[in-house]
Amino acid sequence: NAGVTQTPKFQVLKTGQSMTLQCAQDMNHEYMSWYRQDPGMGLRLIHYSVGAGITDQGEVPNGYNVSRSTTEDFPLRLLSAAPSQTSVYFCASSYQDRNTEAFFGQGTRLTVV
Amino acid sequence: RKEVEQDPGPFNVPEGATVAFNCTYSNSASQSFFWYRQDCRKEPKLLMSVYSSGNEDGRFTAQLNRASQYISLLIRDSKLSDSATYLCVVYYYKLSFGAGTTVTVRA
Repeated sequence: NAGVTQTPKFQVLKTGQSMTLQCAQDMNHEYMSWYRQDPGMGLRLIHYSVGAGITDQGEVPNGYNVSRSTTEDFPLRLLSAAPSQTSVYFCASSYQDRNTEAFFGQGTRLTVV
Repeated sequence: RKEVEQDPGPFNVPEGATVAFNCTYSNSASQSFFWYRQDCRKEPKLLMSVYSSGNEDGRFTAQLNRASQYISLLIRDSKLSDSATYLCVVYYYKLSFGAGTTVTVRA
C-alpha cells in the first residue's frame, strides 16, 4: 500500500537549474496538489489538479509548472531555480470531496544555492 | 489577513496535563474543518475532523464555533508522544492550512 510516493527526498540545485519533483499516488484520487512549507508559515498551495488533463494555480504558482497526464502522476517542475524556492515541498492527494482526508508524500527538502 | 491563523506556541506541558489551543479562520463560508498533526517537518497526517457539534477521539476533543469562526483542540492526559505541531485546516473548495501550533510534552 504505497499511498503517495514523492521523490527525491533531498535535492540541492544551483540558481538557474531546472528540475522535476515527482509525485505518484495509487489510491485513484481525483485531486492532487503541491504545497511548499517555509518556517513560520503554513503549507501554501502551489498548483492543484482535479483530474487528468486539468490543472490550476494555487496561492504561489510563479516559477513552477505542473501537468496531469494520468490520474496517478502529478510532477512539479521548477523552471529556473532561485534561492527563494528553497523550501520543503509536499505533494498531496485526496478524493474530490469536502470531508475527505488528504494524504501527503514524505516531502522534498530543496535547497537552491 | 491570513485565511487560517494559529497561536504558534510553543506550549510546553508536563505529562498528564491538559493543553488546549485555538485557530481562527477568515472565510465564513468554509465547509469543513480538520486538525492535522506534523512531526519534525515530516508529512502532515490527519488527526481528526471537526464537526459542528464537537467531537472526541480518545484524549482529543475538537470544537467548532461557526459564529466566532474558530476551532479548538484540547488534549487531555498529555503523553510524550503527543509532542508535535498541530495544523488547523479549513476547506473551501481547497484546503487552507494554518502555520501550526507546537506542543512539547515533557516528562
